Amino acid sequence: KQEVTQIPAALSVPEGENLVLNCSFTDSAIYNLQWFRQDPGKGLTSLLLIQSSQREQTSGRLNASLDKSSGRSTLYIAASQPGDSATYLCAVNQGGSEKLVFGKGTKLTVNP
Amino acid sequence: DTAVSQTPKYLVTQMGNDKSIKCEQNLGHDTMYWYKQDSKKFLKIMFSYNNKELIINETVPNRFSPKSPDKAHLNLHINSLELGDSAVYFCASRRSGSAYEQYFGPGTRLTVT
Repeated sequence: KQEVTQIPAALSVPEGENLVLNCSFTDSAIYNLQWFRQDPGKGLTSLLLIQSSQREQTSGRLNASLDKSSGRSTLYIAASQPGDSATYLCAVNQGGSEKLVFGKGTKLTVNP
Repeated sequence: DTAVSQTPKYLVTQMGNDKSIKCEQNLGHDTMYWYKQDSKKFLKIMFSYNNKELIINETVPNRFSPKSPDKAHLNLHINSLELGDSAVYFCASRRSGSAYEQYFGPGTRLTVT
């Protein structure tokens, strides 16, 4: 059974700092991995998707990496801003099943 | 130009009642999902439909019955509501294939009193 773990559960950083969020998964037979952000009381916004054959994806100040063999992904946020404050969720798509298995998220606070 | 929409946004009801949540996507996707986010903010899959056919039913009580009248709609009907059903329910959709992201609706906050 696939399990997704995100560490740390919460992170507080000063504005301008670069930071890394971690995600690990127990079953490396994944289809793809997706990073989301969730603002309080809101839905999920997709940030990046990495297919199982890819090593990384970039979008603006965000860079996500995937090491399937070790069951790890990281989300790197450069030059953090207060507007980046949100909960970041990692989810893996199990091969063939089409469903996403989520981690419990990392709550990020960027202080001005 | 809303991509995935859900109605209602909030739903407050009493135990034992029957309620429905509606979901529509205008993205032309062929797969739709229902997820439940509990009080600890943990998101878990409930159902998945592909081209109107059920492909995932993740050990959800049979009081929950999804219905997909067409590829753009996936509704969730809940019978005999219980206190433990209180949660935020998210609808999502995607196009089949490893390169495609899931897009989520804004969620329906269900409170059972």
